[in-house]
Amino acid sequence: GAGVSQSPSNKVTEKGKDVELRCDPISGHTALYWYRQRLGQGLEFLIYFQGNSAPDKSGLPSDRFSAERTGESVSTLTIQRTQQEDSAVYLCASSLAKLGRNTQYFGPGTRLLVL
Amino acid sequence: GQQLNQSPQSMFIQEGEDVSMNCTSSSIFNTWLWYKQDPGEGPVLLIALYKAGELTSNGRLTAQFGITRKDSFLNISASIPSDVGIYFCAGRNTGTGNQFYFGTGTSLTVIP
Repeated sequence: GAGVSQSPSNKVTEKGKDVELRCDPISGHTALYWYRQRLGQGLEFLIYFQGNSAPDKSGLPSDRFSAERTGESVSTLTIQRTQQEDSAVYLCASSLAKLGRNTQYFGPGTRLLVL
Repeated sequence: GQQLNQSPQSMFIQEGEDVSMNCTSSSIFNTWLWYKQDPGEGPVLLIALYKAGELTSNGRLTAQFGITRKDSFLNISASIPSDVGIYFCAGRNTGTGNQFYFGTGTSLTVIP
């Protein structure tokens, strides 16, 4: 399809294990964002990629969280040594990042449950 | 991170009624976005605003970019049951950074 896709859609893991979440942005979108959404709450910014520039990592909550993006394509968000408080929906969004026109389009999210 | 003040937090209305919600920021934005999120889904973009004072409609939805550039409003006219969901605002100032800041959401329930 033409939208943002994410995988897996659901992930259940044990505390202490590492998890890797994937995001496929809309083709041609140079900007890619990761957000965390806890149950019943708003979106919490995690990290932003724009082309080949250094990513804005200012939202990452701890050094257990990291993300990579290859060029202007797929991104992976990795959470090491997961904790129960990491349980949330992780949302990815992409945008064209044209000057003055920066609408974001979201994927369906990955629901992470840490037992 | 920064979150915008969005109100009301929740609304329970009768089908057919109009709905208004708003979002305020302590800083100036040059982009305002409004999203709707259904349970188990990612947010879906409803309306995008890029200019102070701009008024934009999408069907029964109308949103405005506040003149002060620190607020935005979303109105839904003649609500229907499928309007149920959580509505989020998001704002950004490309002059100061690349982040979008999100509101805390307005949960809308429409009673048939």
